[in-house]
Amino acid sequence: DSGVTQTPKHLITATGQRVTLRCSPRSGDLSVYWYQQSLDQGLQFLIQYYNGEERAKGNILERFSAQQFPDLHSELNLSSLELGDSALYFCASSPGQGAVLGGYTFGSGTRLTVV
Amino acid sequence: SQQGEEDPQALSIQEGENATMNCSYKTSINNLQWYRQNSGRGLVHLILIRSNEREKHSGRLRVTLDTSKKSSSLLITASRAADTASYFCATVRTDSWGKLQFGAGTQVVVTP
Repeated sequence: DSGVTQTPKHLITATGQRVTLRCSPRSGDLSVYWYQQSLDQGLQFLIQYYNGEERAKGNILERFSAQQFPDLHSELNLSSLELGDSALYFCASSPGQGAVLGGYTFGSGTRLTVV
Repeated sequence: SQQGEEDPQALSIQEGENATMNCSYKTSINNLQWYRQNSGRGLVHLILIRSNEREKHSGRLRVTLDTSKKSSSLLITASRAADTASYFCATVRTDSWGKLQFGAGTQVVVTP
């Protein structure tokens, strides 16, 4: 157990629907990062939050949004889902604002299947 | 786009052999990290090497960094079946505020 908790582990939903993925960072970590992993795109950085504030944005679609709450857990909202959104979504956390001093701790991921 | 590119894409070796994989990147970095991912699981941080370091060891892992060639290598010595996994390099660019960018990974299979 890495200390980063992601729920649910698996999600199957239909095109056009909206889902919410949840992440609780490791105790003491203030940053949360969301990554999407697919066979054709590899690991793509989506977005980072630090202590409730958005810090960096990557290849995140406009249909996707995220937030980090006062208790530091984060949610990634995916809407108007398409078949191509099927992927593994990972949350990672770190104590500081980036990976300058150390690595990220990853959760075990949410496997999203859009049918 | 990927910052790091691993080579080879896949590697198959016998237990006890060494496994070497390489990573090339494009821009100036603050540090380079290696991660392991078992099939469908989360990534596990293995080792971090800073831009002013040339070599680092951790157990059976040895990482080198050549900033002039913008490349790094990961060596796993005396491999075990449990080392079967995908290995990713990830870079922290000097202009990206600590954000990690991952390469495509090397899939390593160690057979008993």
